[in-house]
Amino acid sequence: DVKVTQSSRYLVKRTGEKVFLECVQDMDHENMFWYRQDPGLGLRLIYFSYDVKMKEKGDIPEGYSVSREKKERFSLILESTSTNQTSMYLCASSPGTSGARGIQYFGAGTRLSVL
Amino acid sequence: GQSLEQPSEVTAVEGAIVQINCTYQTSGFYGLSWYQQHDGGAPTFLSYNALDGLEETGRFSSFLSRSDSYGYLLLQELQMKDSASYFCAVRANAGNMLTFGGGTRLMVKP
Repeated sequence: DVKVTQSSRYLVKRTGEKVFLECVQDMDHENMFWYRQDPGLGLRLIYFSYDVKMKEKGDIPEGYSVSREKKERFSLILESTSTNQTSMYLCASSPGTSGARGIQYFGAGTRLSVL
Repeated sequence: GQSLEQPSEVTAVEGAIVQINCTYQTSGFYGLSWYQQHDGGAPTFLSYNALDGLEETGRFSSFLSRSDSYGYLLLQELQMKDSASYFCAVRANAGNMLTFGGGTRLMVKP
């Protein structure tokens, strides 16, 4: 079974704090993704990476950055949190182009509250 | 860019059949995926259609019409455990990047 593990299930931070969200996958997948999920808005892509040290902006990258130093690990960084970043953050991974077929495997999510 | 529309809520009775529609607008199209998400859980993959027609997987089927930019998820013999949110998602390029719809919350009643 594919396993995507996110480091924290719940986080509470104060405005202005720096936050690292870690994601690790164990299937040697090329692609990794970070989404945020808000009621009625579905999942919105923040950033994705198709290889080590490679990253591409998604639909809502403002206020976020990412790091992928190893194939299995993809980190989401919030440099200075704001209350509008309170959300559920989901990490996902998938095989590269040849094996993709619309499948992504998701972690359990991190619910971040910024006070 | 991409945009997808699906109903926000659907209610059905246990044992019934329900269809969740999804219409999309996209600049490129490789396929349409469906995901299920229970409250507090992670989204899990249900199906993927790259070509027109119906794909069946047990009680769930998914349909695609590329000419109409339309698809649907059909759930048969509904069970209480099918109560969840269902998301359609467009794969617009070869890189497997997905754009998700807002989700449909399905409530199954006894």
